[in-house]
Amino acid sequence: GEDVEQSLFLSVREGDSSVINCTYTDSSSTYLYWYKQEPGAGLQLLTYIFSNMDMKQDQRLTVLLNKKDKHLSLRIADTQTGDSAIYFCAERANQAGTALIFGKGTTLSVSS
Amino acid sequence: DAGVIQSPRHEVTEMGQEVTLRCKPISGHNSLFWYRQTMMRGLELLIYFNNNVPIDDSGMPEDRFSAKMPNASFSTLKIQPSEPRDSAVYFCASIHRGTEAFFGQGTRLTVV
Repeated sequence: GEDVEQSLFLSVREGDSSVINCTYTDSSSTYLYWYKQEPGAGLQLLTYIFSNMDMKQDQRLTVLLNKKDKHLSLRIADTQTGDSAIYFCAERANQAGTALIFGKGTTLSVSS
Repeated sequence: DAGVIQSPRHEVTEMGQEVTLRCKPISGHNSLFWYRQTMMRGLELLIYFNNNVPIDDSGMPEDRFSAKMPNASFSTLKIQPSEPRDSAVYFCASIHRGTEAFFGQGTRLTVV
């Protein structure tokens, strides 16, 4: 079955880099996502990567994918207090109309 | 586009009452998902539709839950009768044939 695992908490200091890790089990996963949720808000899509890529960079965000180990990571450079939120990893298979399966989320706490 | 629109944003109801949550997906998106978020279980997929047709409702917890999508621009999730354990944030998301799934702001349901 499908399963997505994430560590629950990460605490960093402002200005440091944050690395949030995720593992998934479905080998047919084609799209892998990172969402951000601030308190009381919905899920905001940060970035996504196709399974035929191993890296994607978007400003302060870098996504690394190790398809062999089914491991996905999100690196946030120069972490700011505004980055404090819950970060969700999600996978989706390459079939029309399939749903995203989410991990339980990693709470990132940034201290100044 | 206004994004995925959910209503109401907050709902407080008494146990045993019927609750109807509403979702308007982004125009042109052909898949719609209902998720439930709780502290204990994280984000659970309840049901999803493709081209207005329910594809997978295996996540619907009980017969008390039902979902409809009468047309491409509207979906409802109904709980009848509601119970305190249904208290959660319910999210609707939509996606076009591509890869980016967009979420609404959610409906926070409290059943007392």
